Amino acid sequence: AAGVIQSPRHLIKEKRETATLKCYPIPRHDTVYWYQQGPGQDPQFLISFYEKMQSDKGSIPDRFSAQQFSDYHSELNMSSLELGDSALYFCASHVFPAGANVLTFGAGSRLTVL
Amino acid sequence: QQQVKQSPQSLIVQKGGISIINCAYENTAFDYFPWYQQFPGKGPALLIAIRPDVSEKKEGRFTISFNKSAKQFSLHIMDSQPGDSATYFCAASSTSGTASKLTFGTGTRLQVTL
Repeated sequence: AAGVIQSPRHLIKEKRETATLKCYPIPRHDTVYWYQQGPGQDPQFLISFYEKMQSDKGSIPDRFSAQQFSDYHSELNMSSLELGDSALYFCASHVFPAGANVLTFGAGSRLTVL
Repeated sequence: QQQVKQSPQSLIVQKGGISIINCAYENTAFDYFPWYQQFPGKGPALLIAIRPDVSEKKEGRFTISFNKSAKQFSLHIMDSQPGDSATYFCAASSTSGTASKLTFGTGTRLQVTL
């Protein structure tokens, strides 16, 4: 079965650089969530999209932006990277209105900021 | 402020023993309580979940006990196996509009020894 695909799996950037993470949800899933997980931390909700519109917003820094495209894939753009942005970034998807009970996570993108 | 509190932070159990992880929440709007299992470098994977109108749910060796009045829920892993060694996150969700974001507990690192 198809899963949530994230790319790249690993990314190394310098401080103040920009990074873009991509998420391809399970086919026919129209809702996408982004989570950030710091080392030894629990995943923190960043932002979500439904049908290409932002549906909820969490603790996403102003330096970050995201969008969902017409094919439902989503991209998380991070600018002016800081050391503290080093984390695992997870994307998750489901089909509305199924909700959290069928939420599927991708394997994550590990961002390292040097 | 951690909306979902989880304990213990780490747990060592002998093979065949019972692993018990506890969580508590404050927000009465939460209407879905899943448990996720996460292996190093992987995304969280849904293990088992419960809704507040049920006091217990069992799936194989995994059981969720839910106490709505106390706003607590717990995961019991019976006959724990070395392959169960992972980090476990409880979570809670409430649907708002078109979003069903998850709020995670702080995680419990479980180690099952031989």
